[in-house]
Amino acid sequence: EVQLLESGGGLVQPGGALRLSCVDSGLSFRSYAMAWVRQAPGKGLDWVSAISIHSGTYYADSVKGRFTIARDNSKNTVYLQMNILRAEDTAVYYCASKIPDGAPLDRWGQGTLVTVSS
Amino acid sequence: EIVLTQSPGTLSLSPGERATLSCRASQSVSSRYLAWYQQKPGQAPRLLIYGASSRATGIPDRFSGSGSGTDFTLTISRLEPEDFAAYFCQQYGESPPWTFGQGTKVEIK
Repeated sequence: EVQLLESGGGLVQPGGALRLSCVDSGLSFRSYAMAWVRQAPGKGLDWVSAISIHSGTYYADSVKGRFTIARDNSKNTVYLQMNILRAEDTAVYYCASKIPDGAPLDRWGQGTLVTVSS
Repeated sequence: EIVLTQSPGTLSLSPGERATLSCRASQSVSSRYLAWYQQKPGQAPRLLIYGASSRATGIPDRFSGSGSGTDFTLTISRLEPEDFAAYFCQQYGESPPWTFGQGTKVEIK
């Protein structure tokens, strides 16, 4: 079964940084747009960032200027570099994929927990 | 940015009953770009419906989606025990931002 597997979560102090990774075990990674969606404890889903198949990048206003998304097609991996972390960034971060041209997010990883606390 | 508002926040029903969940958008959303997801505790979201009314692969036909413009509905015709979960709508236009509703929890009465 083709899977997305996130890693890199953990405990970090406010103002700190963390890099999340998501590896796609399938063979068509370069054909998928990728996204990060987060979920704070007990809350709903919150779109964070996306990267197109041509490496165009998009960010939610809440993370713009602090987070950077990137992809490495040779490693079937998408990254989320998170800087200047705040308590409100505490959440499970999910990686998800979609085919281009207006398709939904149809494959999701199991998530990685990021906790921002002193 | 399009804001999606789901109602009710919680729906208390018994197995076998019909569930009707609402998703209202702050501005018109193309039906092509409206999805519904199911999420169970400790699990990732699972795509149920896309294009407002098309079922994703493997989704039982007791799940159906409808609506257009600013009002969309997810209906579960007869609740099975495994259907008690949280449900989220999402608009996913060709370019982000892609927004989610705040969710509806379907719980056992």
